[in-house]
Amino acid sequence: DQQVKQNSPSLSVQEGRISILNCDYTNSMFDYFLWYKKYPAEGPTFLISISSIKDKNEDGRFTVFLNKSAKHLSLHIVPSQPGDSAVYFCAARAYSGNTPLVFGKGTRLSVIA
Amino acid sequence: DVKVTQSSRYLVKRTGEKVFLECVQDMDHENMFWYRQDPGLGLRLIYFSYDVKMKEKGDIPEGYSVSREKKERFSLILESASTNQTSMYLCASSLLPEDGYTFGSGTRLTVV
Repeated sequence: DQQVKQNSPSLSVQEGRISILNCDYTNSMFDYFLWYKKYPAEGPTFLISISSIKDKNEDGRFTVFLNKSAKHLSLHIVPSQPGDSAVYFCAARAYSGNTPLVFGKGTRLSVIA
Repeated sequence: DVKVTQSSRYLVKRTGEKVFLECVQDMDHENMFWYRQDPGLGLRLIYFSYDVKMKEKGDIPEGYSVSREKKERFSLILESASTNQTSMYLCASSLLPEDGYTFGSGTRLTVV
């Protein structure tokens, strides 16, 4: 049972436009959400996170929105740049205890110059 | 910054070999994790450890074992490598189990 779902395996966006990556979750115990970015042949790197007590968190060109009622979060990248081309993973943690982060399958973003 | 170091970037091993993947972190993190990444399947948790000598199975532990004799080192062992274990292996560590992780650069393992 997939608790964190990224339903779009890939996304292509023109340079300068907005990229929107989506993530849905099923576990209502999740209280913290993270986005990781991964380039080929490298490990994932932390990008941005959001606590369930917030509905928005912004860091430069990156903004994450959380809709708890819909169990949905999204990552917005504005403006998109060619260097943003990577695989993006959504991850979630449950406050209930000693469990590892749960990752989605990832979305490959291609920013076209 | 926390550094997570995986000993090999690329490995080629033969079917049936015993394979050791090493991971070392330098920030005294309690928690360490092994994932594999495959196209279309995302990051799948193999094993994790919250303390020295402690290990827990993740979602896909079959064919793997782990060793954590020291806090900073977490080894993944493929007891008898098979071609379906060809993958990118990623080690991660964190201060608390629910914290964000710091990942190593990964080991691309090919089993022939």
